[in-house]
Amino acid sequence: EVQLVESGGGLVQPGKSLRLSCVASGLAFDVSAMHWVRQAPGKGLEWVSGINWTGDKKHYADSVRGRFTISRDNRKNSLYLQMNSLRAEDTALYYCVKLAEPLGPMDVWGKGTTVTVSS
Amino acid sequence: QSVLTQPPSMSGTPGQKVTISCSGSDSNIGTNTVNWYLHLPGAAPKLLIYADDQRPSGVPDRFSGSKSGTSASLAISGLQSEDESLYYCASWEDSLSGWVFGGGTKLTVL
Repeated sequence: EVQLVESGGGLVQPGKSLRLSCVASGLAFDVSAMHWVRQAPGKGLEWVSGINWTGDKKHYADSVRGRFTISRDNRKNSLYLQMNSLRAEDTALYYCVKLAEPLGPMDVWGKGTTVTVSS
Repeated sequence: QSVLTQPPSMSGTPGQKVTISCSGSDSNIGTNTVNWYLHLPGAAPKLLIYADDQRPSGVPDRFSGSKSGTSASLAISGLQSEDESLYYCASWEDSLSGWVFGGGTKLTVL
């Protein structure tokens, strides 16, 4: 079964850090571009960050650039999102997403992990 | 304030055809393909249409996509109650080197 399972979400204070993980199974993770997409409460989908299959090309939304770092470990079929200097506006459900091709559609989505930034 | 503009809501009756629009610019829809996603509450988004007008396997042919210039559309014919959902368009944005989404359209089947 093709599956993406996120973990690492939780309640964190503003200014603190959190690391999200995503483990893939049933798909060719090591040759797939992977991204993070989030949905804040009551809001629409927002792209956060993406990484190519080798890990040497990374992209970030302006809202997280300089604070978030995306990475991957193809030996572990895992994608990560290191989130530093968290803000209240980072509160959201974070989805791990696989692209069908480098700039192709997001064809596999995880169920998401919730991040809440609050004091 | 989404880069891509969608109507916030639409409605239709069973059997009717509805068309959801998605308006962008030269640096996104005008240059790159458009994908559409269906998002049911509490579930992960699902790819509905890719590369402007292609349906993934398993998506009924009641769903169709089209694009002209800097605008795209998702048409749903033979509307069914289970089509009631949120629909998002998305495209690659060259100026941001990232994906941009529409604000989402909530479709209600009356």
